[in-house]
Amino acid sequence: AQTVTQSQPEMSVQEAETVTLSCTYDTSESDYYLFWYKQPPSRQMILVIRQEAYKQQNATENRFSVNFQKAAKSFSLKISDSQLGDAAMYFCASGSARQLTFGSGTQLTVLP
Amino acid sequence: DVKVTQSSRYLVKRTGEKVFLECVQDMDHENMFWYRQDPGLGLRLIYFSYDVKMKEKGDIPEGYSVSREKKERFSLILESASTNQTSMYLCASSLLDRPSNYGYTFGSGTRLTVV
Repeated sequence: AQTVTQSQPEMSVQEAETVTLSCTYDTSESDYYLFWYKQPPSRQMILVIRQEAYKQQNATENRFSVNFQKAAKSFSLKISDSQLGDAAMYFCASGSARQLTFGSGTQLTVLP
Repeated sequence: DVKVTQSSRYLVKRTGEKVFLECVQDMDHENMFWYRQDPGLGLRLIYFSYDVKMKEKGDIPEGYSVSREKKERFSLILESASTNQTSMYLCASSLLDRPSNYGYTFGSGTRLTVV
């Protein structure tokens, strides 16, 4: 069974600053993928960034980047130049197209 | 614009009622999923399906059943609703073997209250 742990239920960041959200996972799969999803108050889950576990290079998407440490089973999300629109619940997930396991989420507040 | 559509955004039902939550996707995805979202617990998988008329139990299937008669539609059924099934329900879909490109596409959720 897979488990995903997000140890920070809530985080806050000042607008234009950088924040890092933590995620650790445990899996027995050799081929898997990692994702960060964002859920704003509209409730629509939005894919933020994805990482193939077999790739060592950390994924980046504009202001969003990950620090993927495979041996430590760690997959943290860094948000640079935080914007008010980044305020949301963020979920880390691990798995495949056939099954994703999600963490409990981190509520991010962006302070003006 | 690709979509996963859940039939109701908010739903209030009485204890003991049979409840149907409908989900339709227009992306020709093989895989469909029902998750339940509760504060502090994240998303928990209830049931999933890889093909028409096929279903498999997730982590918390008790009290639920599903139906997939057509590829684009995946229904979640609460046979006899109870107050502990008050929650947010999220439907999702994905291509069979391409999570790296597409991940999951989610519906906007149904907030179900059982009174």
